[in-house]
This record gives sequence, C-alpha cells and structure tokens, in this order.
Amino acid sequence: KAGVTQTPRYLIKTRGQQVTLSCSPISGHRSVSWYQQTPGQGLQFLFEYFSETQRNKGNFPGRFSGRQFSNSRSEMNVSTLELGDSALYLCASYSGPNTGELFFGEGSRLTVL
Amino acid sequence: DQQVKQNSPSLSVQEGRISILNCDYTNSMFDYFLWYKKYPAEGPTFLISISSIKDKNEDGRFTVFLNKSAKHLSLHIVPSQPGDSAVYFCAAREGGSQGNLIFGKGTKLSVKP
Repeated sequence: KAGVTQTPRYLIKTRGQQVTLSCSPISGHRSVSWYQQTPGQGLQFLFEYFSETQRNKGNFPGRFSGRQFSNSRSEMNVSTLELGDSALYLCASYSGPNTGELFFGEGSRLTVL
Repeated sequence: DQQVKQNSPSLSVQEGRISILNCDYTNSMFDYFLWYKKYPAEGPTFLISISSIKDKNEDGRFTVFLNKSAKHLSLHIVPSQPGDSAVYFCAAREGGSQGNLIFGKGTKLSVKP
C-alpha cells in the first residue's frame, strides 16, 4: 500500500511569487491535513480537509489556502511568498480509528529567496 | 501560547540505557496524546499513543506514561539503541478533532554506541 505522496519534494521561489504543493493520501483515506515545520518550531497545523470540505483551519494568514479534490488528493497554495514561509510542508492522512494517528508524507521543502 | 511543551531540545543517552522524553501540556480538553519520531529528510512516523483515560501504554521498548493531574506525559525507551536517534515530537488532540494535532517543538535524541 503506497504511503502519502507529496510533490514536489524541493523547490525554490523568490519573494512575491506563489507556490502550489500537492499531496496524494493513502488509498482509501478521505482526510488530509497540512502542517508547516520551521527550524526551532514544532509542526504547526495549517488546515484539514475531509470529503472536499475544509474542516479545520489553523492560525495562518489568508495567503495560505488549500483544497481537496473528489479523489481525496489535496493541494495547498501560498501566495505572495515571504522569506518566513521557508519551511517543510507536511501532508498527513488518516482513515480511523479515531485515535489521532496521522500518516505523514516526506514533505515539500520550500525555500524562499 | 504553547499548549504542548517539550522543554528539552536535546537529550543524549548511552546505548542500552533508558531514554526518557518529557512533555507538558496546558489544555485539559486534550483526549489523546501521541509521540512521533522524525528522521532527517523524512516525514514524522507515528510511534505510540495514549488515551486520556489511561495512565500507561506499552509497545515493545516504548512506554508512554500520562499524569493528568500534572498535565505531563513521558516516553520511555528501554533499552535505547543507536537507531532510535531522531527528533521526537509529542502531540495532543483536542476531543473530536482528528486531523488537527497540537505538536511540541521536539526533542532531539542521540543514542551513543
């Protein structure tokens, strides 16, 4: 069974640009969550999608957005990039039981110059 | 304000000895606590969890203890192995919010041969 797949793995952008990251959850998982990890910080929750609907949203500015498609694949977008957006962006999926266990992808490493 | 705190950024332990990683939390509504392990260039991997109605959960070399009155949990690894060297994240779930975990900043464990 394939794990959570994230693309691209690495990317470099400049300030002001926008970026789109993609996530394919484990087959059969209908929920996808996104997290941002920066040096010295833990993982910070961005948003959660279930059946194409955003269920939860973290405390990030409106430049961060996401969506989920009917096949459960998800994308997140960051517009007007800032230097502080440089981070590892992690996608996770789950199917239950409802214990909080998430399965993470390897992440997309974004560098903003 | 951080709801989940890992006050030790790093821990060094000799192979074969016990590793104890600590985590404190502030939100009494958390109903599940989890530990994740992360190697460089990989996504976090679920290690072990504990429900708030229990005070101990064991899985092989890994045991998690929960002290609700002190709002404290700990992960014990016995015996520690060099392959356990990684960053360990403590995470908590607020009741019902499956995909939204609150993570600590992590503790880097180094197990020396």
